Amino acid sequence: AQSVSQHNHHVILSEAASLELGCNYSYGGTVNLFWYVQYPGQHLQLLLKYFSGDPLVKGIKGFEAEFIKSKFSFNLRKPSVQWSDTAEYFCAVIPYSGAGSYQLTFGKGTKLSVIP
Amino acid sequence: DGGITQSPKYLFRKEGQNVTLSCEQNLNHDAMYWYRQDPGQGLRLIYYSQIVNDFQKGDIAEGYSVSREKKESFPLTVTSAQKNPTAFYLCASSFRLAGGNEQFFGPGTRLTVL
Repeated sequence: AQSVSQHNHHVILSEAASLELGCNYSYGGTVNLFWYVQYPGQHLQLLLKYFSGDPLVKGIKGFEAEFIKSKFSFNLRKPSVQWSDTAEYFCAVIPYSGAGSYQLTFGKGTKLSVIP
Repeated sequence: DGGITQSPKYLFRKEGQNVTLSCEQNLNHDAMYWYRQDPGQGLRLIYYSQIVNDFQKGDIAEGYSVSREKKESFPLTVTSAQKNPTAFYLCASSFRLAGGNEQFFGPGTRLTVL
């Protein structure tokens, strides 16, 4: 079965600082990768996704993520954070096919607090 | 607007009572899912359904039950057998049950056992 590890439980940044949230997964086959965001009091929404092709994926609100297959990583980045980016971020992986391909496995989440 | 609705938003239950959480989608998706979210735990899969009248246990199905009588609806019952039911419950759906299909999430139901 696949698993996802998010390196930081809570990250605190000042506005305009750069952000990188780590995500590593364990699974030997082809995967689809996602970053979801949960703003305070709001429902989970998709930030970006990687299915195939260019490993550098751009999402909403200036976020991007890079899939490095050799490192089993899918780190989320943003050059300059804003106070409105304060939220909890979840990395998730699902096998493209075969065993477990029904199951979207989530990391435990990283809380981002941006200080004005 | 297409989407997923969950009701109620907040639910309080006394110990020993069963309670049913509603999930409806109008996205014409075949697959539906229930997750439980606890602080610091991420989301864990309770049950999933590939198609009407079919559903399978996820990682933490004990103390829960579901039904899928209609394509649009996938209610979750939290039974008295669930030892620690206080949590945030999220329903999701996708076009098909497989990788390559993005899952869309509802707004969630926060269940508190008194």
